[in-house]
Amino acid sequence: SQKIEQNSEALNIQEGKTATLTCNYTNYSPAYLQWYRQDPGRGPVFLLLIRENEKEKRKERLKVTFDTTLKQSLFHITASQPADSATYLCALPFSGGYNKLIFGAGTRLAVHP
Amino acid sequence: DGGITQSPKYLFRKEGQNVTLSCEQNLNHDAMYWYRQDPGQGLRLIYYSQIVNDFQKGDIAEGYSVSREKKESFPLTVTSAQKNPTAFYLCASMASGGARETQYFGPGTRLLVL
Repeated sequence: SQKIEQNSEALNIQEGKTATLTCNYTNYSPAYLQWYRQDPGRGPVFLLLIRENEKEKRKERLKVTFDTTLKQSLFHITASQPADSATYLCALPFSGGYNKLIFGAGTRLAVHP
Repeated sequence: DGGITQSPKYLFRKEGQNVTLSCEQNLNHDAMYWYRQDPGQGLRLIYYSQIVNDFQKGDIAEGYSVSREKKESFPLTVTSAQKNPTAFYLCASMASGGARETQYFGPGTRLLVL
């Protein structure tokens, strides 16, 4: 079955540095991959979608890469700010279709001033 | 404002009681979803609906029920058969057509057992 792995340990970085989060997946070749942000006690918010034929996607300070050979996506936040502190989830479409997504458990990012 | 609303924000359930969580969207989306989130775990799909009057079980449907009588509404009932209901419940919707990969989430309902 499909499996998504994100680093369960929190990532602590200093303000201004680049944060890099990892999403690995197995048993699947998805057509796209998504990243969401979730603040404590709130619903996830969509950030970026990258398709299998795209190597890299950028949005302001965010950058996502998608390596279909390694079955891995990297999510970068450059010039990080304390306001970027949150849990970041990656999601893949369910291999059986039906407009379903499979979510990773997320990685918590803490940016310290 | 377009979006998804969930109510209540907090819900307390007594032993043997059924409780219903509300989810309403005004995004005109066809597909709606219910997820359960436990600490340190990803979102687990409970039920989903692609269209009015139709819904399918997700990965953890036991102890839950849903209805989809209107496009805007997808209520979730947590029945007494759900022995460990304490969790954060999230409702989401997805558009059909060209933008149909992205899910939009409500603010969530936290269910606690008394």
